[in-house]
Amino acid sequence: DAGVTQSPTHLIKTRGQQVTLRCSPKSGHDTVSWYQQALGQGPQFIFQYYEEEERQRGNFPDRFSGHQFPNYSSELNVNALLLGDSALYLCASSPGQVQETQYFGPGTRLLVL
Amino acid sequence: QKEVEQNSGPLSVPEGAIASLNCTYSDRGSQSFFWYRQYSGKSPELIMSIYSNGDKEDGRFTAQLNKASQYVSLLIRDSQPSDSATYLCAVNNYQLIWGAGTKLIIKP
Repeated sequence: DAGVTQSPTHLIKTRGQQVTLRCSPKSGHDTVSWYQQALGQGPQFIFQYYEEEERQRGNFPDRFSGHQFPNYSSELNVNALLLGDSALYLCASSPGQVQETQYFGPGTRLLVL
Repeated sequence: QKEVEQNSGPLSVPEGAIASLNCTYSDRGSQSFFWYRQYSGKSPELIMSIYSNGDKEDGRFTAQLNKASQYVSLLIRDSQPSDSATYLCAVNNYQLIWGAGTKLIIKP
């Protein structure tokens, strides 16, 4: 049973560029959540997708957008990258119930120069 | 503003002893509570979830929840060097809110 997968594992971009990160949920899971984790901090909630719609959103600017596909996989897009966007981006999947446990992928380490 | 507070540590515990990790939360409506372990450079992995007041045991780990005091803790018995990691507390009320984590160091 494949767990949550993310790609790429590492990425280097320059300020102003755009980036797309990808996530495939654990088998049987239909909800995908995205988090940003800066060094030494806990994960910060970006948004959650369910049934191809954004169900919840954290306190992140509109530069952060996402999408969920019919197969439940998801993308996180970040436009106009800033140095402060450098972080570990985590994808977590869960069954449809909002109270269910979330399982994390290995993350994508983004460095913005 | 919903908050989850953890002591950042590091918490240093001798091998074989009990490690006690604590977490407080501000939202009284929170309904589910989670402890995750995160090794340096890796993603969080679930240790335990707890939904009702009291204790929940799983092997060497015991989670304790007190909703009246808005307090959740994790006990690790017979601590091993491999338990050295950052432990993250997460609280769910339609959205997971995370603490910053406590760094635990188990000394051989």
